[in-house]
Amino acid sequence: GQQLNQSPQSMFIQEGEDVSMNCTSSSIFNTWLWYKQEPGEGPVLLIALYKAGELTSNGRLTAQFGITRKDSFLNISASIPSDVGIYFCAGQLSGSGYALNFGKGTSLLVTP
Amino acid sequence: DTAVSQTPKYLVTQMGNDKSIKCEQNLGHDTMYWYKQDSKKFLKIMFSYNNKELIINETVPNRFSPKSPDKAHLNLHINSLELGDSAVYFCASSHPTGPGNTIYFGEGSWLTVV
Repeated sequence: GQQLNQSPQSMFIQEGEDVSMNCTSSSIFNTWLWYKQEPGEGPVLLIALYKAGELTSNGRLTAQFGITRKDSFLNISASIPSDVGIYFCAGQLSGSGYALNFGKGTSLLVTP
Repeated sequence: DTAVSQTPKYLVTQMGNDKSIKCEQNLGHDTMYWYKQDSKKFLKIMFSYNNKELIINETVPNRFSPKSPDKAHLNLHINSLELGDSAVYFCASSHPTGPGNTIYFGEGSWLTVV
């Protein structure tokens, strides 16, 4: 499958700071998703984006589906210690059985 | 009330052994998947089943054999385990007619081959 380029690879920030991470692909996708994985757990869906240009929020999280359908970003505002984890972007083509193509993840550490 | 559950969560076994990981989802989804997460945390699709039929089979050694007895279950059997099989294996499910075909993951099975 397609591999996505996700950056940055890791971030070490102070509580209260805003965070931004992004994902790009050489191919277009119909859906972009952002997942968070905490230690010892499976990825948990944060935000799903279904249309080019769509901007969606989930609490302190905001994500956008790029106009070209080849990129997406995720912002976290006013970070808190429980935001710690690995954030993955994933692109998907519509249709039955179309699996997710994942980015390599952004590891986020937040200090109090 | 776990949506996607897989067992065992941890498995340590010797090279050459055969082992199975079981997965069940109670979401009523039609499609189930197995993903592998390597030591660098990269998640890669292995298999996908829709209504018990195999629809995705990525380049995976044939020592890995998925089995779907019904659409709520997708088990993974691994023969002749090798050191390189050590990884976290995630089961997942989705409903094809749902918006964006959103995929939900289980908590993972940590496999260590020694």
